[in-house]
Amino acid sequence: DQQVKQNSPSLSVQEGRISILNCDYTNSMFDYFLWYKKYPAEGPTFLISISSIKDKNEDGRFTVFLNKSAKHLSLHIVPSQPGDSAVYFCAASVGGAGSYQLTFGKGTKLSVIP
Amino acid sequence: NAGVTQTPKFQVLKTGQSMTLQCAQDMNHEYMSWYRQDPGMGLRLIHYSVGAGITDQGEVPNGYNVSRSTTEDFPLRLLSAAPSQTSVYFCASSYGPSQETQYFGPGTRLLVL
Repeated sequence: DQQVKQNSPSLSVQEGRISILNCDYTNSMFDYFLWYKKYPAEGPTFLISISSIKDKNEDGRFTVFLNKSAKHLSLHIVPSQPGDSAVYFCAASVGGAGSYQLTFGKGTKLSVIP
Repeated sequence: NAGVTQTPKFQVLKTGQSMTLQCAQDMNHEYMSWYRQDPGMGLRLIHYSVGAGITDQGEVPNGYNVSRSTTEDFPLRLLSAAPSQTSVYFCASSYGPSQETQYFGPGTRLLVL
């Protein structure tokens, strides 16, 4: 049973436009959420996170929104750049930022078209 | 700093063979972990360590052994390889338990025939 779902395997966006990547979860105990970015032949790198006590967190061009009632979070990238083309993983944990056990989604491949 | 290094980059094994995937970090990180990523899937935690001499199981530990004799190294041993262990294996390290400060290695691609 998949507890973290990224239902869109891929997404294509024009350079300069907004990219919206979605993630749904089923475990109501999750209280910390992270997004990772992964380029081919490299390991994932941390992008942005959000605690369940917030509904929004921003870092430059990246914003994560959390809707706890819908068990849904989304990553917005504005404006999208060709260097953003990568696979994006949503992950969740129980026990806050210090919890070491993460549950990952399958990932969404973002292609930003110049 | 080399960061997190993994060897080999790619390995082919026959069913039943054993091997050790190597992972090393030069950042003096306490926490180290091993993940596997199967095709079209997210990462899953195999084993992790919170310091030299201390290891614990993650979500999918069966078929794997780990040990942590030094801060720098965290090898992953496959005892008797099975085709179901075909995957990409990532090692990661962090100073503390925070996932935000976790550095991942480039991965080892393993094919078990």
